[in-house]
Amino acid sequence: GIQVEQSPPDLILQEGANSTLRCNFSDSVNNLQWFHQNPWGQLINLFYIPSGTKQNGRLSATTVATERYSLLYISSSQTTDSGVYFCAVPSGGSYIPTFGRGTSLIVHP
Amino acid sequence: GAGVSQSPSNKVTEKGKDVELRCDPISGHTALYWYRQSLGQGLEFLIYFQGNSAPDKSGLPSDRFSAERTGGSVSTLTIQRTQQEDSAVYLCASSSGLLMGSPLHFGNGTRLTVT
Repeated sequence: GIQVEQSPPDLILQEGANSTLRCNFSDSVNNLQWFHQNPWGQLINLFYIPSGTKQNGRLSATTVATERYSLLYISSSQTTDSGVYFCAVPSGGSYIPTFGRGTSLIVHP
Repeated sequence: GAGVSQSPSNKVTEKGKDVELRCDPISGHTALYWYRQSLGQGLEFLIYFQGNSAPDKSGLPSDRFSAERTGGSVSTLTIQRTQQEDSAVYLCASSSGLLMGSPLHFGNGTRLTVT
């Protein structure tokens, strides 16, 4: 099946800092999703981004499908951004997203 | 409902007992997924339902695990003869299923503890 690698595994920021999270995948994909899991375990869909760039407030994501990676940008980080960020991609021809192991982010006030 | 609803939110059971976990997807969503998340780990796919098609059971870890979806809506995940390694958070998600891999919406999960 498809391999999904996320980096860095852990990230600690001071409030107000910017960061970039990366997701590499091993096969061609027709979509990619980014999720945020808050400290209470709730998973929220941030972006559905098969290609190109999308922005939502302080967050933006870019997927370059031909080079098999996606980036999630967090600008002016806030303590509420803390949690784990997952990317998920389906194997070719599949409806079932495979999740990476996530990036654990802690934002200190 | 407004979102994906899972029950119970927490379940503690003794080793060897059977458990049933319930998922009520977003109204109108034809696709339903079950995932499992062990402590500090990523999400492990278990089973996928799409409309009236046969489910994709390729992620079920053993024959002690089964799931059904009645009337294309509510789903129940059953674990028979629970083992300690079954302890995890069981997450259900639904999507519209209109696009391949359309956005997933997750419930809050059921935290299962097997003692």
